[in-house]
Amino acid sequence: EDQVTQSPEALRLQEGESSSLNCSYTVSGLRGLFWYRQDPGKGPEFLFTLYSAGEEKEKERLKATLTKKESFLHITAPKPEDSATYLCAVLKSSDKLIFGTGTRLQVFP
Amino acid sequence: GAVVSQHPSRVICKSGTSVKIECRSLDFQATTMFWYRQFPKQSLMLMATSNEGSKATYEQGVEKDKFLINHASLTLSTLTVTSAHPEDSSFYICSARMTSGPSYYEQYFGPGTRLTVT
Repeated sequence: EDQVTQSPEALRLQEGESSSLNCSYTVSGLRGLFWYRQDPGKGPEFLFTLYSAGEEKEKERLKATLTKKESFLHITAPKPEDSATYLCAVLKSSDKLIFGTGTRLQVFP
Repeated sequence: GAVVSQHPSRVICKSGTSVKIECRSLDFQATTMFWYRQFPKQSLMLMATSNEGSKATYEQGVEKDKFLINHASLTLSTLTVTSAHPEDSSFYICSARMTSGPSYYEQYFGPGTRLTVT
């Protein structure tokens, strides 16, 4: 059965304290992996797409990497405005996105 | 670019009534749109895939007669919740995918619609 697991469920960081979020997956017919940011009461905001193992993408303080079984979202020197829920989603060959349950990140000044 | 809007953002209705939610891609054309629902502290669950000019494809367990989807143009899809009941209360989110190009597989999400059925 297709499964996308994110860890940790929640993460509290001090401003400037770098860390990583994990997304591990067991999916047949993987076409790509997406990272989204979701603020409370809002829709997900697109961050990155990764299509093949070894691929990396960066945007400001965020860097996403992909292996054959998992993806990491690295946050370097986070700021309070980075506080949000980060979702990863796997795109199947059927064009369906399967979402993980997310990591709730809180960054304190 | 890649902006998706939803209307309304919030709706309260009485049990037994119907509610229509609109999803629009504002600055791109979307052959395919998707409808999700999200319960508190849970992730997004795909309800249906909507293709312009054809019938929507519903996920297992989603009642197609209850959740009517119409994708009338390349920029508009609507979800109508018919005979709504309190258990239909949820956060409904649509997404749209571009018709072509390097970002073809990327889904861009609307801001969501909070439905409360009393």
